[in-house]
Amino acid sequence: GAVVSQHPSRVICKSGTSVKIECRSLDFQATTMFWYRQFPKQSLMLMATSNEGSKATYEQGVEKDKFLINHASLTLSTLTVTSAHPEDSSFYICSASLGGSEKLFFGSGTQLSVL
Amino acid sequence: AQTVTQSQPEMSVQEAETVTLSCTYDTSESDYYLFWYKQPPSRQMILVIRQEAYKQQNATENRFSVNFQKAAKSFSLKISDSQLGDAAMYFCAYRTGTASKLTFGTGTRLQVTL
Repeated sequence: GAVVSQHPSRVICKSGTSVKIECRSLDFQATTMFWYRQFPKQSLMLMATSNEGSKATYEQGVEKDKFLINHASLTLSTLTVTSAHPEDSSFYICSASLGGSEKLFFGSGTQLSVL
Repeated sequence: AQTVTQSQPEMSVQEAETVTLSCTYDTSESDYYLFWYKQPPSRQMILVIRQEAYKQQNATENRFSVNFQKAAKSFSLKISDSQLGDAAMYFCAYRTGTASKLTFGTGTRLQVTL
């Protein structure tokens, strides 16, 4: 099946620094990728939809300037958490859509801890 | 807005027994898909089963089956012959036919006991 690689799997950073998370579709072209956030013992909340070559669409309440999303190619989307603070500590998961079909493939997630 | 509700935060089942996880949803769309995802301790999201709203027949995947009641907007998951490896968080999810983004329920933690 299709594989989505997410890197890094875990990152610890100091408050005020920026962190970049990569999401790659390894064996298919993903025109659309999605970024989710999951707090402990909670559900996945969609943050934004990323379309290749265009600006991301953010969900209500998600700060565009804080969570920068870039989808420069059909196989790579990045999420940059700028000026991270402890409240940004969370599990971030990406998913990629296979050719606009209903099939979604998830990355393995990134645990971000901001000290 | 579409919502997905899972009313059972936790469920427990004995090995080899059957358990049913509940899910209800709210939508005004006629074309949509429903999913059950499993999230084990590794936190990798694994698709368990999916159902197209236009299909009347309930989806089945080996030990996993659904009871899709479209009029009642209910989509429960039945796990037969439960195994220790079935222990995980289970999320019910919804998407419309025109968009790929998923709306997830709050999840049900399933414990499997010996």
